[in-house]
Amino acid sequence: SQQGEEDPQALSIQEGENATMNCSYKTSINNLQWYRQNSGRGLVHLILIRSNEREKHSGRLRVTLDTSKKSSSLLITASRAADTASYFCVSGSARQLTFGSGTQLTVLP
Amino acid sequence: ETGVTQSPTHLIKTRGQQVTLRCSSQSGHNTVSWYQQALGQGPQFIFQYYREEENGRGNFPPRFSGLQFPNYSSELNVNALELDDSALYLCASSFGGPSSYNEQFFGPGTRLTVL
Repeated sequence: SQQGEEDPQALSIQEGENATMNCSYKTSINNLQWYRQNSGRGLVHLILIRSNEREKHSGRLRVTLDTSKKSSSLLITASRAADTASYFCVSGSARQLTFGSGTQLTVLP
Repeated sequence: ETGVTQSPTHLIKTRGQQVTLRCSSQSGHNTVSWYQQALGQGPQFIFQYYREEENGRGNFPPRFSGLQFPNYSSELNVNALELDDSALYLCASSFGGPSSYNEQFFGPGTRLTVL
């Protein structure tokens, strides 16, 4: 079963625009991660945010975490065609990553 | 430093057959996990191996089994294949064992089709 649910399921934007994806999860977490998957590079870790953090930045990525609402968001600024991929929020233990169903982002040139 | 590699890339089997998928961990990694990803879904955890022993299993039946070798490479075996076993099988390696939150590095996957 999937722990997290991403919203929206699909998102299509123009190059240069910002993309925001949201994730809700069910049980308490130690940390939450975001992964990206595309046909070229496979499944790649993007960023990890710990449960005691509220916001984290990495390059053009900004992740927020609200443990009271059991939700997280991923913002990609100034999107590029190469950002076209599926994005997953991932929770779970160190032993077992639990993936959501993903948001399919398409960035149009 | 080499990344995680998997073989074969694609495989076609018929219902009832058995299949073995292989994974070579990234250099220096001692923990390997396997995931099944159905079309349009996120990956689902099958099991994890650390020090050649299974160390956690997801909601998968016993016909899914695995091995980890002393060089930390790994195999996933699936017996009595069913049509629903058609999926992308992903291997991920990491360092530090089951209590470590170190990043997992994923291989490109093996696409299994069961006819």
